[in-house]
Amino acid sequence: GQNIDQPTEMTATEGAIVQINCTYQTSGFNGLFWYQQHAGEAPTFLSYNVLDGLEEKGRFSSFLSRSKGYSYLLLKELQMKDSASYLCAVIDSNYQLIWGAGTKLIIKP
Amino acid sequence: DAMVIQNPRYQVTQFGKPVTLSCSQTLNHNVMYWYQQKSSQAPKLLFHYYDKDFNNEADTPDNFQSRRPNTSFCFLDIRSPGLGDAAMYLCATSRDRTGSYEQYFGPGTRLTVT
Repeated sequence: GQNIDQPTEMTATEGAIVQINCTYQTSGFNGLFWYQQHAGEAPTFLSYNVLDGLEEKGRFSSFLSRSKGYSYLLLKELQMKDSASYLCAVIDSNYQLIWGAGTKLIIKP
Repeated sequence: DAMVIQNPRYQVTQFGKPVTLSCSQTLNHNVMYWYQQKSSQAPKLLFHYYDKDFNNEADTPDNFQSRRPNTSFCFLDIRSPGLGDAAMYLCATSRDRTGSYEQYFGPGTRLTVT
């Protein structure tokens, strides 16, 4: 079966750095997305990785290792507004998007 | 601004009473998706349209139907809602269904079944 694993919940301090991990086992791989979802709202696109390495976008960076079936989202200089769920999603060989359940990130002052 | 719009934002229906949720987009995207999302769970794809081509997920209950009368609009019909259908329903669009095209989501409709 296809599976995406993320920690259920993480806590971090305002101003700090946090890394949210995602591991996947899918039938094929055509890319990986990270989305942010605030409580009661729709997901919004953060990043897309298809090649190994780090993609940096402001305070957010996303890393991919295809050989390890592993990605992480790195959030720097955390702000209270970063409190949200972060969903990892993988495109499989049939171009289906397989979603993780998300990691709820709690930021404390 | 180009966007995905869902109406209503909140919908309350009675057990067994048909309900229709609507989605419209001004992005002119080819693909439209309907997802069901329950609290702390991954979005679950119900169906998607690639242009007029309808694609039903194998595990989507028959109780759920969809229509896409034109490029801009898509509807989700729940014929006989049960208590287990209470969830957030998300509409999304993408330019294409392959590769790097991210999905753009509407704000969602939260469905309550009484």
